[in-house]
Amino acid sequence: DAGITQSPRHKVTETGTPVTLRCHQTENHRYMYWYRQDPGHGLRLIHYSYGVKDTDKGEVSDGYSVSRSKTEDFLLTLESATSSQTSVYFCAITRQHQKPLNTEAFFGQGTRLTVV
Amino acid sequence: DQQVKQNSPSLSVQEGRISILNCDYTNSMFDYFLWYKKYPAEGPTFLISISSIKDKNEDGRFTVFLNKSAKHLSLHIVPSQPGDSAVYFCAASAYAGGTSYGKLTFGQGTILTVHP
Repeated sequence: DAGITQSPRHKVTETGTPVTLRCHQTENHRYMYWYRQDPGHGLRLIHYSYGVKDTDKGEVSDGYSVSRSKTEDFLLTLESATSSQTSVYFCAITRQHQKPLNTEAFFGQGTRLTVV
Repeated sequence: DQQVKQNSPSLSVQEGRISILNCDYTNSMFDYFLWYKKYPAEGPTFLISISSIKDKNEDGRFTVFLNKSAKHLSLHIVPSQPGDSAVYFCAASAYAGGTSYGKLTFGQGTILTVHP
């Protein structure tokens, strides 16, 4: 257990509305990530953060923004939700190792988002 | 362009026999490889990993093999148990240092079913 909590766990929203998903961690990790999981695609990186106020884009960042104002919280915002953003969203952290190659990520329980 | 591929969507195995899950990659910059297990409605759970300087890593019933020349890795589970039934994802990372730490590229996943 990496002390990661995602909220909400389930959400249904309408097309065109903004949505914010929250990831909260209790272990003071520097690196945090947002992935989405879709059938046939596995998990794909949306955005990640390497410190407070430090974020960067991942593979599928269009239509998403993130913010990290505190070490423990990483927010993912869908600015104007579309049906293609219906997915399961996972937050993850990486524990930095003395061996820098070791990049095991530990995931939250996920948020199932449905855009109707 | 799928840089990490799991070409078998599903695998069915009898309890006590060996399960072999396969994964291919195209990016020669990948230097760390991981396997994750995922149950429905839960986040992926880290299972085992291997760095590119090794060709085998073993942890109990789980062994990961890496063939760098073929850009292929496999996960062996011996003996398979019904509780191993889950979706298995392989993932890879390329060490870039600094702010790009820990970004993972995932395969599409393989559904493993172990029959009693």
